Amino acid sequence: NAGVTQTPKFQVLKTGQSMTLQCAQDMNHNSMYWYRQDPGMGLRLIYYSASEGTTDKGEVPNGYNVSRLNKREFSLRLESAAPSQTSVYFCASSESRQSSGNTIYFGEGSWLTVV
Amino acid sequence: RKEVEQDPGPFNVPEGATVAFNCTYSNSASQSFFWYRQDCRKEPKLLMSVYSSGNEDGRFTAQLNRASQYISLLIRDSKLSDSATYLCPPFSGGYNKLIFGAGTRLAVHP
Repeated sequence: NAGVTQTPKFQVLKTGQSMTLQCAQDMNHNSMYWYRQDPGMGLRLIYYSASEGTTDKGEVPNGYNVSRLNKREFSLRLESAAPSQTSVYFCASSESRQSSGNTIYFGEGSWLTVV
Repeated sequence: RKEVEQDPGPFNVPEGATVAFNCTYSNSASQSFFWYRQDCRKEPKLLMSVYSSGNEDGRFTAQLNRASQYISLLIRDSKLSDSATYLCPPFSGGYNKLIFGAGTRLAVHP
């Protein structure tokens, strides 16, 4: 039972470098999300994709882009990394019943350090 | 006002103790409520959903107070393995955009 798989788990980047975080889910979920978590800040939504072919901004989208490649995969790209983007990134997925909320399943996280 | 507020803790309790913490939410339109737990350096996982009538799952009891806009989590007979951060994202409709606060940290000691 893989659930939500994200790669890489750890990455160190230099300021200005670009990289893409990959995420895939095998639960046939419609909705996928990218969160970042900083100490004392809780999880903050960067972008989400309600269904294949759609993406929308969350609370903190600046400096990021996303691609919903297909139903399974949702990638997050940092075009020009900045030290403020040092964080733990979680990909997540859920079914998409709007009326009642659904369990969100998270990947194990990607630890990103920008120096 | 933040959408969800929790006492960050830590709540330090001995094994076997009963501990409770609350989570207040600001959006009165919030429809569904959940408790997630997050172990150190791990991903959050659903602990339980919170129903209007309250619900119990073993040692865990969740209550909802819509009038005062808070949910609570009661843990009885605390175990060392209960040490974690507990998150309470309210769901306010839309595409399942759960808003997480920083959570409440629980530390159970021998």
